[in-house]
Amino acid sequence: DTGVSQNPRHKITKRGQNVTFRCDPISEHNRLYWYRQTLGQGPEFLTYFQNEAQLEKSRLLSDRFSAERPKGSFSTLEIQRTEQGDSAMYLCASSLATENEKLFFGSGTQLSVL
Amino acid sequence: GENVEQHPSTLSVQEGDSAVIKCTYSDSASNYFPWYKQELGKRPQLIIDIRSNVGEKKDQRIAVTLNKTAKHFSLHITETQPEDSAVYFCAPKAGTDKLIFGTGTRLQVFP
Repeated sequence: DTGVSQNPRHKITKRGQNVTFRCDPISEHNRLYWYRQTLGQGPEFLTYFQNEAQLEKSRLLSDRFSAERPKGSFSTLEIQRTEQGDSAMYLCASSLATENEKLFFGSGTQLSVL
Repeated sequence: GENVEQHPSTLSVQEGDSAVIKCTYSDSASNYFPWYKQELGKRPQLIIDIRSNVGEKKDQRIAVTLNKTAKHFSLHITETQPEDSAVYFCAPKAGTDKLIFGTGTRLQVFP
């Protein structure tokens, strides 16, 4: 499968625990985006990378959220001290720098915080 | 920041009818106008897009039209089929390198 891959598909955790998600973009794509989607809403931008550089981070993103893309390939999104309001689908997308508007999404990681 | 609204929020049509979904945006610097389709439990997928130097673009049964003066663009689906049932999102892009998604339109096509 040469599409965007996300792991795990589902994550159930207790409030206060830390969680980490992984995204593997399409191999030749140097841009990588994280979005969050709650039921009945559109994807909400969180952050994006060009290669290993994190170029923008949403003001909505609290200090509990951190994302990395250390070698410019896969990315991880960590949420520390999870809260019930963090429950959502976390979507990763990638794009070519030359066609950076065309996003290819992964299937997402569904997070449930109990 | 960009304010994006879609209308209607839900749309039900009979198979074979046409469907039109409108997206209004606030940032006059927006220069790229895509539509994404998200089927139930699936990932969003780009179905059609248009740039600000073009007024209309067609791809088989779907088309996008742009009115930059009024700051809105629309998705047109003709001869709708049950497999067109999904949530559709517009996601205009302005000067920054991120797409701002609308709240979505749920389209139901009844056989």
